[in-house]
Amino acid sequence: AQSVTQPDIHITVSEGASLELRCNYSYGATPYLFWYVQSPGQGLQLLLKYFSGDTLVQGIKGFEAEFKRSQSSFNLRKPSVHWSDAAEYFCAVGAGLTGGGNKLTFGTGTQLKVEL
Amino acid sequence: DVKVTQSSRYLVKRTGEKVFLECVQDMDHENMFWYRQDPGLGLRLIYFSYDVKMKEKGDIPEGYSVSREKKERFSLILESASTNQTSMYLCASSPWRSDEQYFGPGTRLTVT
Repeated sequence: AQSVTQPDIHITVSEGASLELRCNYSYGATPYLFWYVQSPGQGLQLLLKYFSGDTLVQGIKGFEAEFKRSQSSFNLRKPSVHWSDAAEYFCAVGAGLTGGGNKLTFGTGTQLKVEL
Repeated sequence: DVKVTQSSRYLVKRTGEKVFLECVQDMDHENMFWYRQDPGLGLRLIYFSYDVKMKEKGDIPEGYSVSREKKERFSLILESASTNQTSMYLCASSPWRSDEQYFGPGTRLTVT
């Protein structure tokens, strides 16, 4: 069974500082990986996704993530954080285009606080 | 843009009541999902559906049922609400053979 670990429950960074949120996954084949962001009181919005190809993927709002198969990781990064980035971030893994009802397994989330 | 809407943003119900949470998507997606979200536990899948009248149990189906009579609508039913079902409920949809899910804004349910 697939699983996702986000080891950091809370992270605080200063505005303008760089950010890295960690995600480790467990899956037997090539995973389909996602990062979602949830602003307070809102649903989840897709930031970026990795299916295949270039292991460094770019997303919205200036975020990027790098897939490292050898480390089973898919860490999210941003070079300069803005106060509006304060939110909860979820990493998720999927099994790929296997058919209907493709399920995602989500991590427990990382709450990002940005200090002004 | 894909739009997933949920019937209520906030809902307060009493223990023992029957509760219906409605979800509608407008992009003709085959797959629909219901999750509950609790602090420290992330998102947990309750039920999903990959076709009209089809349903599959997720990781925590106990105490819940679902209905999908039309492609665009997926309902979550709490037959007899209990206080431990107080949570944020998120609906999502995705196209056939796709992992990319689109989420609604969520319904925060409080059972007193």
